Amino acid sequence: QKEVEQDPGPLSVPEGAIVSLNCTYSNSAFQYFMWYRQYSRKGPELLMYTYSSGNKEDGRFTAQVDKSSKYISLFIRDSQPSDSATYLCAMSAGTYKYIFGTGTRLKVLA
Amino acid sequence: DAGVIQSPRHEVTEMGQEVTLRCKPISGHDYLFWYRQTMMRGLELLIYFNNNVPIDDSGMPEDRFSAKMPNASFSTLKIQPSEPRDSAVYFCASTYPWLLRNTIYFGEGSWLTVV
Repeated sequence: QKEVEQDPGPLSVPEGAIVSLNCTYSNSAFQYFMWYRQYSRKGPELLMYTYSSGNKEDGRFTAQVDKSSKYISLFIRDSQPSDSATYLCAMSAGTYKYIFGTGTRLKVLA
Repeated sequence: DAGVIQSPRHEVTEMGQEVTLRCKPISGHDYLFWYRQTMMRGLELLIYFNNNVPIDDSGMPEDRFSAKMPNASFSTLKIQPSEPRDSAVYFCASTYPWLLRNTIYFGEGSWLTVV
């Protein structure tokens, strides 16, 4: 079993929809949780960062961490075609040894 | 800032040949990472350096892979001999400890195809 599991998609939604992306993990030592966005043929870029449990909001993006269930989510409100990308979750126990999910491909249709 | 610079962007090579990938981190960043990305396995950390010293190379798949960082502005990842299963996108990334949100900055990747 992988340490971090993520549905690869693809996920297609109409413009304006609310998108929910999720990851599960098995290592209870993870404390730092991140979401990266990767456009086609580009490197990943940090989108959201959360320490420990709870919610964090940044514009149209909300990150949630539920450590008791070992489950993290990224919500995108009012999705736009420019949000079409691959979204990768990443986690760390406090070092720079980040463990990434395989990524979920999202396509927002105009 | 120019960002993390990787070369070559694309490489096609024959099985058995040596491949060298190069990276220039962002100036002032003292952590450097090499990742490999494939459809099946996602993004995997191969090795990372701090102040030019390898800290964790447990992700290096086998002895055919080696990485060096001779100075703060240059690193190489070498595969010798290369095999078709090494075909992947190789990313270099960098950061420094006091960056907010533990941000690491990725380059645009080196797309390697071994035939």
